[in-house]
Amino acid sequence: DAKTTQPPSMDCAEGRAANLPCNHSTISGNEYVYWYRQIHSQGPQYIIHGLKNNETNEMASLIITEDRKSSTLILPHATLRDTAVYYCIVRVYGSQGNLIFGKGTKLSVKP
Amino acid sequence: NAGVTQTPKFQVLKTGQSMTLQCAQDMNHNSMYWYRQDPGMGLRLIYYSASEGTTDKGEVPNGYNVSRLNKREFSLRLESAAPSQTSVYFCASSSQAGWVNEQFFGPGTRLTVL
Repeated sequence: DAKTTQPPSMDCAEGRAANLPCNHSTISGNEYVYWYRQIHSQGPQYIIHGLKNNETNEMASLIITEDRKSSTLILPHATLRDTAVYYCIVRVYGSQGNLIFGKGTKLSVKP
Repeated sequence: NAGVTQTPKFQVLKTGQSMTLQCAQDMNHNSMYWYRQDPGMGLRLIYYSASEGTTDKGEVPNGYNVSRLNKREFSLRLESAAPSQTSVYFCASSSQAGWVNEQFFGPGTRLTVL
């Protein structure tokens, strides 16, 4: 699996958009980008995934650059409940085994 | 739907004691997983079950055994608990047999071994 790099922490004002970056410069053509988050003391929660096109669901949007070497997770209107550690994971779709959770980005949403 | 449920939520054991962590999912998923998370670290896979009737070792299987009781339930057993097994244990499931897409996680079991 390709390695990912995320900033260790970010702050965001409540109601504003939170933009969480992820670098994955060694991503291969058949690897997808997945985002999960872990709210304190809870199990990780799947957010979104994509291959090369931008994706949007009820939780977030995922913007992947044209060269696929980086991506941005966007929470359009962050709330205090979005405070969590966000993990960017790169993986071949359909592969077996475990998800590799790195250290992620600690997002703090402030009132 | 309850999703993925785990019991117990908290447990304290003495070294050498045994216990079984229970996990159940009601999403008709084929694959189930057991992870552990140590403080300040990511999750590490202990065992997984790609489909009913099969189990495979993950990254850190030593000291654990698993049973895929049926499609819904996947249990994790510690035969002789050690302090190094103090951790938070998460069970997860996913729809596709053997795939790791869109895993759904339970609330976790916080285990302390004295």
